[in-house]
Amino acid sequence: EAQVTQNPRYLITVTGKKLTVTCSQNMNHEYMSWYRQDPGLGLRQIYYSMNVEVTDKGDVPEGYKVSRKEKRNFPLILESPSPNQTSLYFCASSLLAGGFGNEQFFGPGTRLTVL
Amino acid sequence: GDSVTQMEGPVTLSEEAFLTINCTYTATGYPSLFWYVQYPGEGLQLLLKATKADDKGSNKGFEATYRKETTSFHLEKGSVQVSDSAVYFCALHLYAGGTSYGKLTFGQGTILTVHP
Repeated sequence: EAQVTQNPRYLITVTGKKLTVTCSQNMNHEYMSWYRQDPGLGLRQIYYSMNVEVTDKGDVPEGYKVSRKEKRNFPLILESPSPNQTSLYFCASSLLAGGFGNEQFFGPGTRLTVL
Repeated sequence: GDSVTQMEGPVTLSEEAFLTINCTYTATGYPSLFWYVQYPGEGLQLLLKATKADDKGSNKGFEATYRKETTSFHLEKGSVQVSDSAVYFCALHLYAGGTSYGKLTFGQGTILTVHP
């Protein structure tokens, strides 16, 4: 089954404790992206990757890191989490970055709480 | 910058009622437009899309028409069901050729609850 998977689905942590949220897709997509969802704000892009070893900042990159060593994986790293990073996080992928009407496929989400 | 504005929710309807969720956009170019749906506890799924003016996207009884003159992409369904209860997001993607990076710009989402 074609899908985007994320782990963990739920995570409660404390300020300053490094964490990684994994994302993997099995569709051979070139483009991957991380979004965070906050009430009243919709989804905002954190980082994206056009292909292996190519990553760039989205609209809200502060406090996050990413890497793209393999095509299928795109982990999100919080080196020193803070309470304002409490949010619902989504990983997404698409075949290509550009093109008209290019559909993005979303993972199930990771709900992160930073105390 | 590019932006999407959705009607404020939540929206509560009875089964078989008519649904409209308004969406308007601002974009510097000529975007593709999408409606995504998020069912409770799940990720976003593409509901429908339109890539050029006057295109109508449709799926599962939902429809939306790309109106360039009013910069709108309103979502409609003639008869909602309880199973349509979800959060609906309007989004745009602006393809700028070589400089495009695939970002979707989302509205804030509209919560729809349908009662039997």
